[in-house]
Amino acid sequence: ETGVTQSPTHLIKTRGQQVTLRCSSQSGHNTVSWYQQALGQGPQFIFQYYREEENGRGNFPPRFSGLQFPNYSSELNVNALELDDSALYLCASSLDGYEQYFGPGTRLTVT
Amino acid sequence: GENVEQHPSTLSVQEGDSAVIKCTYSDSASNYFPWYKQELGKRPQLIIDIRSNVGEKKDQRIAVTLNKTAKHFSLHITETQPEDSAVYFCAASIKAWWASNNDMRFGAGTRLTVKP
Repeated sequence: ETGVTQSPTHLIKTRGQQVTLRCSSQSGHNTVSWYQQALGQGPQFIFQYYREEENGRGNFPPRFSGLQFPNYSSELNVNALELDDSALYLCASSLDGYEQYFGPGTRLTVT
Repeated sequence: GENVEQHPSTLSVQEGDSAVIKCTYSDSASNYFPWYKQELGKRPQLIIDIRSNVGEKKDQRIAVTLNKTAKHFSLHITETQPEDSAVYFCAASIKAWWASNNDMRFGAGTRLTVKP
């Protein structure tokens, strides 16, 4: 096991609702990245947090937001859910951005 | 931004043969190139990575080569085994303390099947 955990495992939400996903990083890591993985595709970078500050963002709208806490755990918040937001959401922790280790993911279904 | 292309999308080999997966990237500033293996229903697992200051790295049956001039890098798996069957992703990113946008771009993946 890599030590990165995510909760919840699965989630079903209705279009327009808001969701919060959580990630606990591996001990000793200071960086957390979030990815969206649609079925049959590679992970798409959402954003990265380094020492509680966002220091990188992919092509995702502002309704995707996040936080990193002093213990380096992290949250991903998505507002105004759309059907296309249905995907596997992965977080990955690392030391300074190298050697990212992924969590098991949260499967989000938007109906 | 960075764009990563990966080929082939599917690859089938006989057990014991070698497998090669190739990726190209667009941003010449990219300097970190990891490879991930993802089995069905599981998380991506880092199997090997290479930084731009080296041209090749090996770890047992797995090797990665990097050609910075041509902007491509490849994964080589020798003596393949059925348990190597999975989807493999390449990725590229710029890792620097001054970089304001640290993102990692993934290829679309290669589904490798190793037939016994």
